[in-house]
Amino acid sequence: AQSVAQPEDQVNVAEGNPLTVKCTYSVSGNPYLFWYVQYPNRGLQFLLKYITGDNLVKGSYGFEAEFNKSQTSFHLKKPSALVSDSALYFCAVSRPSWGKFQFGAGTQVVVTP
Amino acid sequence: DTAVSQTPKYLVTQMGNDKSIKCEQNLGHDTMYWYKQDSKKFLKIMFSYNNKELIINETVPNRFSPKSPDKAHLNLHINSLELGDSAVYFCASSRKDGYTFGSGTRLTVV
Repeated sequence: AQSVAQPEDQVNVAEGNPLTVKCTYSVSGNPYLFWYVQYPNRGLQFLLKYITGDNLVKGSYGFEAEFNKSQTSFHLKKPSALVSDSALYFCAVSRPSWGKFQFGAGTQVVVTP
Repeated sequence: DTAVSQTPKYLVTQMGNDKSIKCEQNLGHDTMYWYKQDSKKFLKIMFSYNNKELIINETVPNRFSPKSPDKAHLNLHINSLELGDSAVYFCASSRKDGYTFGSGTRLTVV
């Protein structure tokens, strides 16, 4: 079955510390991988994507993610977290033939001052 | 200008009523979607339309009927609303390799 997993329901980090949000996928072939962020009572905002090319992808708000094919992972990272990064983060996978996204269950990030 | 706009933002209604949610995108995208986010924040696709044609219907009850009058609009009509329909409904559009989401419609059925 095609799927995407976010193993952590919540990640807690102190402001200024590195932030990592984990994502693994189970997709045959070459996946398209995405990260979206949802702030309270808001829609989903695009952060970054991996389609092809360089495995390290840089996105909005200082976030980056590394595509690791051997580990089938696409972890989201930020070197120094801000309190304003507190939100719900979704990893998603797609392929052109699917016509849709498969979302992970989401990871709540809590950044404390 | 808002890229994908949904109306209304909030909708509170009684069980058994019929309601509609509207979605419009000004991005020139060919494909539009409806996603449902449940109380546990899980996102699941409901429908997908490409150039006004239904592409995906993910075993959604037939009380839910999407309508796409043109490729810039995808409306969602829900008949005989049930308590379990309470959720946040997101419209989205895409062209090739990424989505743009609307801000969501929070539907509460009482």
